[in-house]
Amino acid sequence: AQKVTQAQTEISVVEKEDVTLDCVYETRDTTYYLFWYKQPPSGELVFLIRRNSFDEQNEISGRYSWNFQKSTSSFNFTITASQVVDSAVYFCALSEALKSGAGSYQLTFGKGTKLSVIP
Amino acid sequence: DSGVTQTPKHLITATGQRVTLRCSPRSGDLSVYWYQQSLDQGLQFLIQYYNGEERAKGNILERFSAQQFPDLHSELNLSSLELGDSALYFCASSVGSGSRSSYEQYFGPGTRLTVT
Repeated sequence: AQKVTQAQTEISVVEKEDVTLDCVYETRDTTYYLFWYKQPPSGELVFLIRRNSFDEQNEISGRYSWNFQKSTSSFNFTITASQVVDSAVYFCALSEALKSGAGSYQLTFGKGTKLSVIP
Repeated sequence: DSGVTQTPKHLITATGQRVTLRCSPRSGDLSVYWYQQSLDQGLQFLIQYYNGEERAKGNILERFSAQQFPDLHSELNLSSLELGDSALYFCASSVGSGSRSSYEQYFGPGTRLTVT
């Protein structure tokens, strides 16, 4: 069965520091999709990025970057020059193609990493 | 704003009662997913509907049920409520199938249910 592990429960950094959030996944599928979501204190879940298993190209979006390594089953998320507004819980999630083929893209979430950015 | 709406935002009710949570997906999205977020279980998939039909079931209790209506809005019904049902219930929508963007789910603001 699929599984997502976010080993870091809580991280605190000082503003402007870089921080990396780890995500390790398990799946038997060869085709799958990985996601990161942000949950700020207000509670909503905000979609950040989707990655397909067949596309290992790393991605950068402003201060955010993602490092996908199939060989280690990891999909890590780095925030450069962190800001107080980055304080949130970040979730990594997995959707398997096997289920997707049946028209279901249900997400399996990790437990989340709570990031606190201190001014 | 994701475009997904959920009502009510907060709900406080007593054990044994029944409640209905409502979700309206983004315009054009055919798929609706329900998730439960609790402190002990984290975020868990409950059920999915696609264009009015149930498509997949996750860790959904028998006391819970859902449906998707012809206008594509969805309702999650929770009955015989227990203290342990207190959680944040999210609805998410996606295009559904047939396109790459269908893999992305956009979440509503959630309904916080408190059972006393």
